[in-house]
Amino acid sequence: GQQVMQIPQYQHVQEGEDFTTYCNSSTTLSNIQWYKQRPGGHPVFLIQLVKSGEVKKQKRLTFQFGEAKKNSSLHITATQTTDVGTYFCAVNSGNTPLVFGKGTRLSVIA
Amino acid sequence: DAGITQSPRHKVTETGTPVTLRCHQTENHRYMYWYRQDPGHGLRLIHYSYGVKDTDKGEVSDGYSVSRSKTEDFLLTLESATSSQTSVYFCAISERYEQYFGPGTRLTVT
Repeated sequence: GQQVMQIPQYQHVQEGEDFTTYCNSSTTLSNIQWYKQRPGGHPVFLIQLVKSGEVKKQKRLTFQFGEAKKNSSLHITATQTTDVGTYFCAVNSGNTPLVFGKGTRLSVIA
Repeated sequence: DAGITQSPRHKVTETGTPVTLRCHQTENHRYMYWYRQDPGHGLRLIHYSYGVKDTDKGEVSDGYSVSRSKTEDFLLTLESATSSQTSVYFCAISERYEQYFGPGTRLTVT
């Protein structure tokens, strides 16, 4: 079935530093979604990317979908303590259910 | 939040006992999902439903069954709980593409 690799597994940054997590697939994706889960909380939908090469921004967060639609990245500029949590990508191909990556856990040191 | 509740929120049970978890939505969404979340594995799909009495298996369905007799309720049953089913269980709903998650149920099987 569909699989997606997400790296890194963990990332520790000083507050104010940038952070990037990557999601890679061996197959072409229909779309990719990103979710954030705060410690002790539930996943919350952030965004969906659909078009090849698409770039979307949400304040300090920049999401990018690769030209071949096989990879994606989430970049956070100048991290804050409120960014702490685990970031998941989720993918599907056609009408198959979403498959989630294993997530990148972000720690921010104040 | 998207009007999703899960019950119970916490449960401790013994190996071999049956357990039923309930997901209730007030949004009248068509799709409902059950996931389990374990350290190092991210979110894995157990079963999902695309309408009343319409369900299908996910990635890790062995040992689980589901029922959806009403649009608003999706039940997950562990017929005979095992220690390997100790996990956090999340329900999610969707109508278009993004999924909205419930608060989760922490299940411990001793």
